[in-house]
Amino acid sequence: GAVVSQHPSWVICKSGTSVKIECRSLDFQATTMFWYRQFPKQSLMLMATSNEGSKATYEQGVEKDKFLINHASLTLSTLTVTSAHPEDSSFYICSATVITGGYGYTFGSGTRLTVV
Amino acid sequence: GENVEQHPSTLSVQEGDSAVIKCTYSDSASNYFPWYKQELGKRPQLIIDIRSNVGEKKDQRIAVTLNKTAKHFSLHITETQPEDSAVYFCAASKGGGSQGNLIFGKGTKLSVKP
Repeated sequence: GAVVSQHPSWVICKSGTSVKIECRSLDFQATTMFWYRQFPKQSLMLMATSNEGSKATYEQGVEKDKFLINHASLTLSTLTVTSAHPEDSSFYICSATVITGGYGYTFGSGTRLTVV
Repeated sequence: GENVEQHPSTLSVQEGDSAVIKCTYSDSASNYFPWYKQELGKRPQLIIDIRSNVGEKKDQRIAVTLNKTAKHFSLHITETQPEDSAVYFCAASKGGGSQGNLIFGKGTKLSVKP
């Protein structure tokens, strides 16, 4: 089946630094990647939708200059949290749909970000 | 945009009993409704899904029903087991591709007591 590899699985960074999270589709081409954030004991909140080769579409309230999304190829999408602060500490997870459409959503394994 | 409401937020049942989780959605264009089970710190795991052209779908102890007119869908788990304990999320989507972002409900923490 379709697999999305997400790295790193966890990261601790200092306040003010940037962190990059990668999601790679291993055996399919992902035209669309969705990025979610999940705070403890809460639901997955959609942050942005990225399509290969175009700018990401951000949900209301999500700062595009802080959460930089790049989807330069059909197999790689990255989320960079810039100038991270403790309130950015969360579980970040990506989800991809396959190029042929349909109803398949494949999730990465998630990244636990802790900003100290 | 789409808004998905999920109830209850917590549910405790005895082993062997049934559990029902209900969700409503707001966008009549939504046509795909998956249910996910998520264990702490892990990715959501798809347990069952239903499309808008179907009213009910069953997979062993798990079933989902959809009422398009009322815009609500429900998850039914029968003969619950302790390993069913987890957080369950419903979601709605207009389908795959750029129109198909999944919008999640707030989740239900299910506890199955032995």
